[in-house]
Formats: sequence, structure tokens, C-alpha cells
Amino acid sequence: GEDVEQSLFLSVREGDSSVINCTYTDSSSTYLYWYKQEPGAGLQLLTYIFSNMDMKQDQRLTVLLNKKDKHLSLRIADTQTGDSAIYFCAENPDNQGGKLIFGQGTELSVKP
Amino acid sequence: NAGVMQNPRHLVRRRGQEARLRCSPMKGHSHVYWYRQLPEEGLKFMVYLQKENIIDESGMPKERFSAEFPKEGPSILRIQQVVRGDSAAYFCASSPLGKGTGGNTDTQYFGPGTRLTVL
Repeated sequence: GEDVEQSLFLSVREGDSSVINCTYTDSSSTYLYWYKQEPGAGLQLLTYIFSNMDMKQDQRLTVLLNKKDKHLSLRIADTQTGDSAIYFCAENPDNQGGKLIFGQGTELSVKP
Repeated sequence: NAGVMQNPRHLVRRRGQEARLRCSPMKGHSHVYWYRQLPEEGLKFMVYLQKENIIDESGMPKERFSAEFPKEGPSILRIQQVVRGDSAAYFCASSPLGKGTGGNTDTQYFGPGTRLTVL
């Protein structure tokens, strides 16, 4: 089956770290993605991780992948008010053609 | 290199009219995907096309919806006889190559979306 789950809301203070969690069901996914959506805008690709990796770091972003538990997380260090947005994780199952399966999105609110 | 372009950005239609949504992929990308985002929800896959071919339309409603990606010009998502439930944001994405080509060549880049409102 195809199901990607995320918590709906996260609120942090400016300067703190944010951790957004995601669980997925299809173990055949080769890549897992994080996208950011600001109000009224499209999706911006933030980062992706290949399924044979445990961790990927890209400036303030750290992606952790636990393939055994099918758990993906996105950590944003030193969170800024400009990071306020909805964050979507997505999987790209190998047996599902080219389509991405998205979670419902986590709305991150950063308070000054 | 311009990103994925979609137009119009906002479209208002009355029930029963037709809606045509256009998507121009990034330069050098020959794979196009359409997704729909209902209010307060994530994106749901609709259809995946290459030039002149529909590869996967498993997410398309069986009636009223069609998509094409001609040899020349943008990809078009067409909704006939729109109903209020069609009101949503429709996003197009493109990738350089397709599934299974390795590396990040099937990474999808999204356009700004078309927000369809059906009155």
C-alpha cells in the first residue's frame, strides 16, 4: 500500500532546532524527498536522500533515514521566521512508475 | 534556466464550463507530472506524461479529465464540465529523465500551480 504520514503542526521559537517526522510504507522507494511550500506558492525541493544512506546534511538541513522503521526526519538548525511554511515528505516507490506519494504536510510555525 | 511555468495562475469557472491548465516544463525536461492539492491536503498524483505519450494515468478521474503533452508546446490538463469539487490547486512538475534512470535525473521540480475555483 501507499501511505505517507506526517504530524500536521509544529511550533518552535526562532533559533531553536525543528524536527519534522515522516513515516512511509513502501520499502521499495529508492529516493525520499522533502519539499517546502510557502502560502500560495508551489513546492520547492529542499533535499532528497537515497535509500542506502542513513543521513544527509546540507547546510542547516539534516535528513535522517531509518529504513528498518520506514522513518524519515528533517532537522532544521537555527530555525528562522522565514522557515515558516508547510513541509512535505514524499516517496518515489520503485513499482509505482514515476509518481511521488506525498504526506499531508507539516505546518511549521516559527515564533520570534 | 527558467523553472516550470504554469498558466494561468488563477482560473475561475462556472459549473459546467471547461478548464484548461497549461504547463511548460523546465528546459531539457521531457517528463511531466500533474498533481492536485485539495484544501488542507497533500498533493495527489494524477498523471505522468512524456512527449506524445501517457505513461501513467492511474490517478486521473475516469470522466471529464484528460491530459496531453504534444510534440510541440506545453502540456495541457483539461477538465470538462467542471463541478465545485474540482476546485483545487493543480501543480505540474517536470524531470529530466524518467523513473529508474539513476542519480537524481528523475527528481521532480514543481511549478507555481494553477488555483482553480469553480463557482
